[in-house]
Amino acid sequence: DIQMTQSPSSLSASVGDRVTITCRAPQSITSYLNWYQQKPGKAPNLLIYAASSLQTGVPSRFSGTGSGRDFTLTISDLQPEDVATYYCQQSYITPYTFGQGTKLEIK
Amino acid sequence: QVQLVQSGAEVKKPGSSVKVSCKASGGTFSSDTFSWVRQAPGQGLEWMGRIILLPLVTNYAPKFKGRVTVTADKSTSTAYMEVSSLRSEDTAVYYCAREIRDNGDFFDSWGQGTLVTVSS
Repeated sequence: DIQMTQSPSSLSASVGDRVTITCRAPQSITSYLNWYQQKPGKAPNLLIYAASSLQTGVPSRFSGTGSGRDFTLTISDLQPEDVATYYCQQSYITPYTFGQGTKLEIK
Repeated sequence: QVQLVQSGAEVKKPGSSVKVSCKASGGTFSSDTFSWVRQAPGQGLEWMGRIILLPLVTNYAPKFKGRVTVTADKSTSTAYMEVSSLRSEDTAVYYCAREIRDNGDFFDSWGQGTLVTVSS
């Protein structure tokens, strides 16, 4: 299995801040990396697919970069509604695997 | 995107089985792919397996192979996931998700989740 490592596991930021979450794979997964947002009690919601493609309907303050082993999710201009846990997921090979999650809070 | 509606919460005894359903609407079910992902209380997401409907193929995470079965009924546009030999560690919310297998593989639609509680 490809174990995805996300960091940090939690972070606190202020409204309007720029926030960065990273995800690393132990081997190259090319661009088969997706990002999901999960709010408490809800199903995950796709934000970014194929490392950098913004899912339809997702605000443009969310962006993704990276390829190979290292990937980044950036939230520019953090909003109160962005409070959630964020997960990366590799879809390079089954079994698909997720990062352990990053819990984002507002200061 | 499609709408995925899952069956309701279940309480099961250890050693029993549970079958969760996921009814799809708004898509082309017969050529879609559906995965099952679970989330134990306070934990992260864990991919269990999937069914590719065209061609018909199932894949399972090694951890669940032999204990989880994913099926689908094209006539009702419903996917199913059955877990046998339940133990307390299987207590979790189980999600179905449609997988887009084009321009990268990703889950664009999710069901609302089904809580399965395993308790004696």
